[in-house]
Amino acid sequence: DVKVTQSSRYLVKRTGEKVFLECVQDMDHENMFWYRQDPGLGLRLIYFSYDVKMKEKGDIPEGYSVSREKKERFSLILESASTNQTSMYLCASSRDRGVYGYTFGSGTRLTVV
Amino acid sequence: GQQLNQSPQSMFIQEGEDVSMNCTSSSIFNTWLWYKQDPGEGPVLLIALYKAGELTSNGRLTAQFGITRKDSFLNISASIPSDVGIYFCAGSGSGNTGKLIFGQGTTLQVKP
Repeated sequence: DVKVTQSSRYLVKRTGEKVFLECVQDMDHENMFWYRQDPGLGLRLIYFSYDVKMKEKGDIPEGYSVSREKKERFSLILESASTNQTSMYLCASSRDRGVYGYTFGSGTRLTVV
Repeated sequence: GQQLNQSPQSMFIQEGEDVSMNCTSSSIFNTWLWYKQDPGEGPVLLIALYKAGELTSNGRLTAQFGITRKDSFLNISASIPSDVGIYFCAGSGSGNTGKLIFGQGTTLQVKP
């Protein structure tokens, strides 16, 4: 069964901490994405990557960075966590430029205190 | 960023009722997708549509790609409690950028 795996389901971090959210896919997909999901705001794209070592900003990249050193792994980094980054974070991957849709991970619910 | 207009935002229905939700866009899309997100999980693809006018079913779910290519709807017939969740539409336009644009979601609650 193909999968997108996010390393943590729940995380609690302190304000100012550097936070790493890890995502791994086993489908050899070229494209990977990070979204955050907040009530009433739907899914908002933070960063995406079409290839190894490649990254592009999405709609809300401020306060985040990403790393894609290997094709299967896409990491989201919160350089200095703030309370307004408390959210559900979803990783997704796709092939063929997303024509057939994305496969999502189960999400990481991050709370910054 | 661009978003689709998805309605309604939420629905609270009785088990056995039919459900209808839709998405509209100001731009033409080449692909429409419908996802369901169970509580505490990531979205899962339900139906994909690739041609204007296309009508596709998946069990009790039916979705259509609008003729104008600017809208899509999803119907759920004879709802059951496990239909509870958030339903998202998503679209992909011209340019083949690989980025999907998502609607804000419709939260469905079903009363047994």
